[in-house]
Amino acid sequence: GDSVTQMEGPVTLSEEAFLTINCTYTATGYPSLFWYVQYPGEGLQLLLKATKADDKGSNKGFEATYRKETTSFHLEKGSVQVSDSAVYFCALTPYGNNRLAFGKGNQVVVIP
Amino acid sequence: DVKVTQSSRYLVKRTGEKVFLECVQDMDHENMFWYRQDPGLGLRLIYFSYDVKMKEKGDIPEGYSVSREKKERFSLILESASTNQTSMYLCASSPRDRAYEQYFGPGTRLTVT
Repeated sequence: GDSVTQMEGPVTLSEEAFLTINCTYTATGYPSLFWYVQYPGEGLQLLLKATKADDKGSNKGFEATYRKETTSFHLEKGSVQVSDSAVYFCALTPYGNNRLAFGKGNQVVVIP
Repeated sequence: DVKVTQSSRYLVKRTGEKVFLECVQDMDHENMFWYRQDPGLGLRLIYFSYDVKMKEKGDIPEGYSVSREKKERFSLILESASTNQTSMYLCASSPRDRAYEQYFGPGTRLTVT
């Protein structure tokens, strides 16, 4: 079935560093792609989305571009803050489906 | 402020007990979802509902059941709790036509001893 794969392991970086979290997907059709974020002690919330190839989703300084040729949707932020410390989940909805399939998530820790 | 609330943040139950986890949303959403979240496994869908009294199995429904008698409330039931059901349980809701736009509750951390 359709799925997403996120890079292994937590990410630790210093404040103002550049953040990249890799996400690749496997899908038979044309899925929509999403990034969700979970701050400590809270539920997940939608961060950004892209519904077709070459779309760029952006929010709160984060960006991700839907790359059909590489089946990727990598999350980037140019200058992270301590408040960006959270778990980030890549997700997709298969075309014509009403469910989300989540990746395993990446813990991001930003140190001052 | 829109909200999804879950009945407990932390719950400790004994093996074999019947456990009810309640979820309420105030956004008039048609879709509601129950997930469990485990380290290294991410979120896995247990059940979802797209309307009152309707339910569909997710990826890991074994050992669980659900109830949706009112639009705003979606309950997850563990008929006979087991230690392998120790987990974080997350409820979510979404509008009918935007199932991807899910709003999550803060979660219930269930420990079964």
